[in-house]
Amino acid sequence: DAKTTQPTSMDCAEGRAANLPCNHSTISGNEYVYWYRQIHSQGPQYIIHGLKNNETNEMASLIITEDRKSSTLILPHATLRDTAVYYCIGRNRDDKIIFGKGTRLHILP
Amino acid sequence: GAVVSQHPSWVICKSGTSVKIECRSLDFQATTMFWYRQFPKQSLMLMATSNEGSKATYEQGVEKDKFLINHASLTLSTLTVTSAHPEDSSFYICSAGEETQYFGPGTRLLVL
Repeated sequence: DAKTTQPTSMDCAEGRAANLPCNHSTISGNEYVYWYRQIHSQGPQYIIHGLKNNETNEMASLIITEDRKSSTLILPHATLRDTAVYYCIGRNRDDKIIFGKGTRLHILP
Repeated sequence: GAVVSQHPSWVICKSGTSVKIECRSLDFQATTMFWYRQFPKQSLMLMATSNEGSKATYEQGVEKDKFLINHASLTLSTLTVTSAHPEDSSFYICSAGEETQYFGPGTRLLVL
């Protein structure tokens, strides 16, 4: 798995877009960028993944830079239920997942 | 997304007893499942890779004789914590998936 670097914590006002950055400068060409989140006392929840192109689903958007060295997860309209630890992971699709420390996102009312 | 379940969701046991935790893939078959452990305020730590029909692969520092893994079918893996001690109290989580890994809701183990 590629090593990823994320801020320890972030705050975002409810209703605003939450932009979570991730640095993965050592990612290899066939490694995907995956995002998961873990709400307190629950198992991690899959959010989105991408290889080179930007991706969007019902939960979030993923913006990957052209050199693939970093990415940003965007929650377009954050709610209190989005308070969680967000993990950015670089991996081949068949590989095991090694979790880093993630970003603790606080949504402020 | 795919659904992974765990049973039980929480368990309390006495020191020295064994506890079995089940992980099931509900709507897909999984030749490989993963087991993680999470202590309070820490990230998930991978314990082992469970392989259907063959031996599990354990991460460095994880005792294979203490954490027995059985992957007897394509939809079920079990983790047995043998001779549990208070330091084994933790949140145990499994995952499964074909390309994207989906995680179970976790099992909270408290050893008294």
